[in-house]
Amino acid sequence: KQEVTQIPAALSVPEGENLVLNCSFTDSAIYNLQWFRQDPGKGLTSLLLIQSSQREQTSGRLNASLDKSSGRSTLYIAASQPGDSATYLCAVKAAGNKLTFGGGTRVLVKP
Amino acid sequence: DGGITQSPKYLFRKEGQNVTLSCEQNLNHDAMYWYRQDPGQGLRLIYYSQIVNDFQKGDIAEGYSVSREKKESFPLTVTSAQKNPTAFYLCASSSGPSNTGELFFGEGSRLTVL
Repeated sequence: KQEVTQIPAALSVPEGENLVLNCSFTDSAIYNLQWFRQDPGKGLTSLLLIQSSQREQTSGRLNASLDKSSGRSTLYIAASQPGDSATYLCAVKAAGNKLTFGGGTRVLVKP
Repeated sequence: DGGITQSPKYLFRKEGQNVTLSCEQNLNHDAMYWYRQDPGQGLRLIYYSQIVNDFQKGDIAEGYSVSREKKESFPLTVTSAQKNPTAFYLCASSSGPSNTGELFFGEGSRLTVL
């Protein structure tokens, strides 16, 4: 059974510092990995989707890498801003078109 | 604008009552999903549907029911058999049945049982 872990559960950084968020998964037989952002009381917003054949994806200040063999993905957010404060979740898609989510990392960027 | 609409945003229910949560999408996606989110826990899959008139149980389907009569709609009924229904419910869709499709979410429905 696929298990997805995100460590740390919470992170606090000063504004301007780069953010590094980790996601690990136990079964490397995945189709893709997706990073999401969730603000309190809201739905999830898709940030980046990395297909299993890709090593990384970039969008603006965000960069996500994928190492299937080691079961890891990292989301980098450059030059963090207070508006980046949110919970970040990763999810992997495997056989059966089902996603397994990590527990999320709650990020606070202090002005 | 294309997207996923969930309603109602907030819902209160008395114990013993069934309640139906609406999910509508205009993204022309084949696959639709219902997740439940509890404080301090990750998202758990309730039901999913990869095509009209077909759906499968997820990890926590007991006490829930769904239908998929139209491509755009995937309503979730929380029945009185669900022992702990107070939660935040999220609907999602993806282009499919391809396994490479990106997942998009609605804004969620918060159900409180009084």
